[in-house]
Amino acid sequence: AQSVTQLGSHVSVSEGALVLLRCNYSSSVPPYLFWYVQYPNQGLQLLLKYTTGATLVKGINGFEAEFKKSETSFHLTKPSAHMSDAAEYFCAVDGNTGKLIFGQGTTLQVKP
Amino acid sequence: DGGITQSPKYLFRKEGQNVTLSCEQNLNHDAMYWYRQDPGQGLRLIYYSQIVNDFQKGDIAEGYSVSREKKESFPLTVTSAQKNPTAFYLCASRGDNNQPQHFGDGTRLSIL
Repeated sequence: AQSVTQLGSHVSVSEGALVLLRCNYSSSVPPYLFWYVQYPNQGLQLLLKYTTGATLVKGINGFEAEFKKSETSFHLTKPSAHMSDAAEYFCAVDGNTGKLIFGQGTTLQVKP
Repeated sequence: DGGITQSPKYLFRKEGQNVTLSCEQNLNHDAMYWYRQDPGQGLRLIYYSQIVNDFQKGDIAEGYSVSREKKESFPLTVTSAQKNPTAFYLCASRGDNNQPQHFGDGTRLSIL
């Protein structure tokens, strides 16, 4: 069965600092991986996805993630945090079951 | 513009009352999903449908019902059997397998 673990329910960074949100997955088949962002009282918006091919995936708003099969990880990074990046972030895996399995979410706080 | 429309944005339910949340998509997607979101618990799958006139229970289907009579529509009924219905409800849809899900803006349900 697929599962997703997001390490750290809350992450706080200063504006301009590196953002690193951690995601580890478990899947018995080659996974398809996604990162979503959610702003308060809104739905989820897709940041980026990994399906096949290049393991470094670039997304919107300057975010990127690297698929590391040996570490079963798909961590999300952004070189320089902006105040507008404050939101909740979800990692998800699709193991070809027709369903996405979501992590518990990580709330990113950006301090001025 | 194509997208998913959830209505209403806010909904109040009296004790013992059934309420129906609307979800409509014009993305021509086959699959549709309903999630419940509570603080600190991520997204939990209630029901999903991969084709018209067919749907499956998710992880927390008790106290909920759905129908899928049209490709565009996947309404969710929160029945009086759901003892703790206060939550944020998200609808999503997806086209091909392993593609990302697209989300609506959610409906927040509260008990009067």
